[in-house]
Amino acid sequence: GEDVEQSLFLSVREGDSSVINCTYTDSSSTYLYWYKQEPGAGLQLLTYIFSNMDMKQDQRLTVLLNKKDKHLSLRIADTQTGDSAIYFCAERVNTGGFKTIFGAGTRLFVKA
Amino acid sequence: KAGVTQTPRYLIKTRGQQVTLSCSPISGHRSVSWYQQTPGQGLQFLFEYFSETQRNKGNFPGRFSGRQFSNSRSEMNVSTLELGDSALYLCASSQGGLGEKLFFGSGTQLSVL
Repeated sequence: GEDVEQSLFLSVREGDSSVINCTYTDSSSTYLYWYKQEPGAGLQLLTYIFSNMDMKQDQRLTVLLNKKDKHLSLRIADTQTGDSAIYFCAERVNTGGFKTIFGAGTRLFVKA
Repeated sequence: KAGVTQTPRYLIKTRGQQVTLSCSPISGHRSVSWYQQTPGQGLQFLFEYFSETQRNKGNFPGRFSGRQFSNSRSEMNVSTLELGDSALYLCASSQGGLGEKLFFGSGTQLSVL
């Protein structure tokens, strides 16, 4: 089946690292994504990783993929108050046609 | 390049009515996907259109329908509205390939009274 799960809340102090975790069930995943949603806005693509990669780094963002355990994580280094938002994990699957499945989102609170 | 445009931004309807939402994708994008976002359920996939054809559909009742025009603009329609249809409806456009990067509009906030 297709399911993406993430914890609902994470609170960190400004300057610390944030780690947001996600698990997925569909083994046909091709690409996995992290999207960010700020209040009153649509989702914005942060980064993505192809399913045959283990890690991808992009400035303050590090994505780790454990395909065996179907586990994806997003690490934000030196978290800032401007990083406060909802972060969505998503997978691109091909089951009867392509579609992108999203988790419920993790709300990140950054305390000054 | 203009982004994804969704209209209207807000809608208030009553139970039993129907509603049509509109989405204009980024120029050159041929795929449009629709999602329903609610606080409890996150983003739920409604359907995806590519070159005027529905490529995939989520688990929503037949009251939810959509279409795509030759200029890639898309509409979704919800008939016989129920209170539970209150949600933010998001449209996303993409080029339509395998490794899709979705570009989202700001959404239409639908309230059903």
